[in-house]
Amino acid sequence: DIQMTQSPSSVSASIGDRVTITCRANQSIISYLNWYQQKPGKAPEVLIYAASSLQNGVPSRFSGSGSGTDFTLTISSLQPGDFATYYCQQSYSTPTFGQGTKVEFK
Amino acid sequence: QLQLQESGPGLVKPSETLSLTCTVSGGSITSGYFYWGWVRQTPGKGLEWIGTIYYSGDTYYTSSLKSRITILVDTSKNQLSLRLRSVTAADTAIYYCARATGGSYPFGWLDSWGQGALVIVSS
Repeated sequence: DIQMTQSPSSVSASIGDRVTITCRANQSIISYLNWYQQKPGKAPEVLIYAASSLQNGVPSRFSGSGSGTDFTLTISSLQPGDFATYYCQQSYSTPTFGQGTKVEFK
Repeated sequence: QLQLQESGPGLVKPSETLSLTCTVSGGSITSGYFYWGWVRQTPGKGLEWIGTIYYSGDTYYTSSLKSRITILVDTSKNQLSLRLRSVTAADTAIYYCARATGGSYPFGWLDSWGQGALVIVSS
């Protein structure tokens, strides 16, 4: 299975901050990379699919980039509802997820 | 609005079979644009893709669980189901059903999820 490694595992940030989360695959997954947000007690929700496509209804402050093995999720200006855990997931082969990045209030 | 709802026992004894049902409402499970999957989440292993099914009955199972799982679809009830045999404590998790989409069947991204069902394996 393809291994997905996210960094950092947690980040402390303030409202209005720009936050960047990185996801690395141990082999090329082209652009088969998706990002999810999960809040406590809730199911994950897809934010970005195919590396850079914004899911319907997701605010434009979320963006994704990358291809091959290295990918980035960026929140351009952190809002109160963005404090959550973020996961990447590859869909190039049997889907696997990153271990998660928790965005906490500084 | 599409809704998915998992149901089933919250407690299963070791060596027995875990059985969950996912009822889909607000949309048809036979929509050709989508397929359906099960994912579980544990504090230790995180999110784990279990398997995927198309409304035709075609399935894909993750290799680590393939020998123990069966995923079925009942189009007349707009439901999918998961059976996991010979469970151990390591199968304790929150189990989610979800709708999958994207051109890379049986893989893709999950654009709609159930609320999740906590299943504890314990005697």
